[in-house]
Amino acid sequence: QKEVEQNSGPLSVPEGAIASLNCTYSDRGSQSFFWYRQYSGKSPELIMFIYSNGDKEDGRFTAQLNKASQYVSLLIRDSQPSDSATYLCAVYLGNEKLTFGTGTRLTIIP
Amino acid sequence: EPEVTQTPSHQVTQMGQEVILRCVPISNHLYFYWYRQILGQKVEFLVSFYNNEISEKSEIFDDQFSVERPDGSNFTLKIRSTKLEDSAMYFCASRVGGAQETQYFGPGTRLLVL
Repeated sequence: QKEVEQNSGPLSVPEGAIASLNCTYSDRGSQSFFWYRQYSGKSPELIMFIYSNGDKEDGRFTAQLNKASQYVSLLIRDSQPSDSATYLCAVYLGNEKLTFGTGTRLTIIP
Repeated sequence: EPEVTQTPSHQVTQMGQEVILRCVPISNHLYFYWYRQILGQKVEFLVSFYNNEISEKSEIFDDQFSVERPDGSNFTLKIRSTKLEDSAMYFCASRVGGAQETQYFGPGTRLLVL
């Protein structure tokens, strides 16, 4: 089983709609979960982090964590063309090693 | 807002040559990392560094790689004898401290080995 798994997409969402991105992870001991956004040719940019089960909201972004199901998701409300990017789910395996999924490519259609 | 910086942004080298990639982590951060991303692939952990020593390294980080913090601000990755398959984006990251805290990434160095 892959350590961090994401649907690679591409995921196409109309402008103004909700984009839903999903991630599963294999290590039940993981405590911290991150969503990064990566534009083509650029570095990962932190969008949100979440440590506790449930929802965490920051502006148009909501992260959801379910440790029992080993599942973390990111919702983007009122999607904008500038949200078009690859979204990377990252999970710590141990205290040092941040492990990334392959990323989901999101395209917002005007 | 403080940022991680990296130099150079691009580097082209011949196979077998040594390269040094440089990073300046955020000033109050204590933990430093190198990651790489081969074109079209996922971001991969290479090494973590704390208190002037390697705390963890991946299987990718073999004897050809080394890291150093030569002074109070710089953090370097050296590839001793580059191979074609070392061509990738190399990202430096840092975090303040505490287990499993947020890592902040630099803009990356694109390395091309010919």
